Amino acid sequence: DAGITQSPRYKITETGRQVTLMCHQTWSHSYMFWYRQDLGHGLRLIYYSAAADITDKGEVPDGYVVSRSKTENFPLTLESATRSQTSVYFCASSGTGDYGYTFGSGTRLTVV
Amino acid sequence: KQEVTQIPAALSVPEGENLVLNCSFTDSAIYNLQWFRQDPGKGLTSLLLIQSSQREQTSGRLNASLDKSSGRSTLYIAASQPGDSATYLCAAHFGNEKLTFGTGTRLTIIP
Repeated sequence: DAGITQSPRYKITETGRQVTLMCHQTWSHSYMFWYRQDLGHGLRLIYYSAAADITDKGEVPDGYVVSRSKTENFPLTLESATRSQTSVYFCASSGTGDYGYTFGSGTRLTVV
Repeated sequence: KQEVTQIPAALSVPEGENLVLNCSFTDSAIYNLQWFRQDPGKGLTSLLLIQSSQREQTSGRLNASLDKSSGRSTLYIAASQPGDSATYLCAAHFGNEKLTFGTGTRLTIIP
């Protein structure tokens, strides 16, 4: 199906473990983004990518790693999960031109 | 600093009424502005995208306007329905590839 998909939908992990959240889009959009959404903070940008092999930090990048070896995939890795990283994570993509964003359904991550 | 503000944080309206949601932004050099809807526990659904060269966009009962000079955008919802209950987010693109989001207005339509 065309669109932007995130996996897993829900994830529980322990403090200190590494966890990777996946994001895949089928439009060949140039731009991809990772946001986290927390009560009281709204949506905050973690990392973004303008094209394959080009990534840049957003507002809250500490503790996260991204890669983009293929245009369609943009995984987000928490190298050593902490409780403060409990959140809902959204991936988004945008093509060039109108810069309209499309969001995935989100991953609810709980770090215990 | 480029900021986006949405006031009020919550709004309750009787079914059938027309309503306006407000969004303000600090930088008039805006590239575009997008309105989203978010249902509880769900992702963001794009409603309308207004380019900087446009004054408004319409989709069904929704109409969004953009006034760069005053730093304001409004989302007008006509003949509100209980199914319109959700959180509405506006987000501004200031030409740096990234969207800056407001904190949203939680809308409740009272049957």
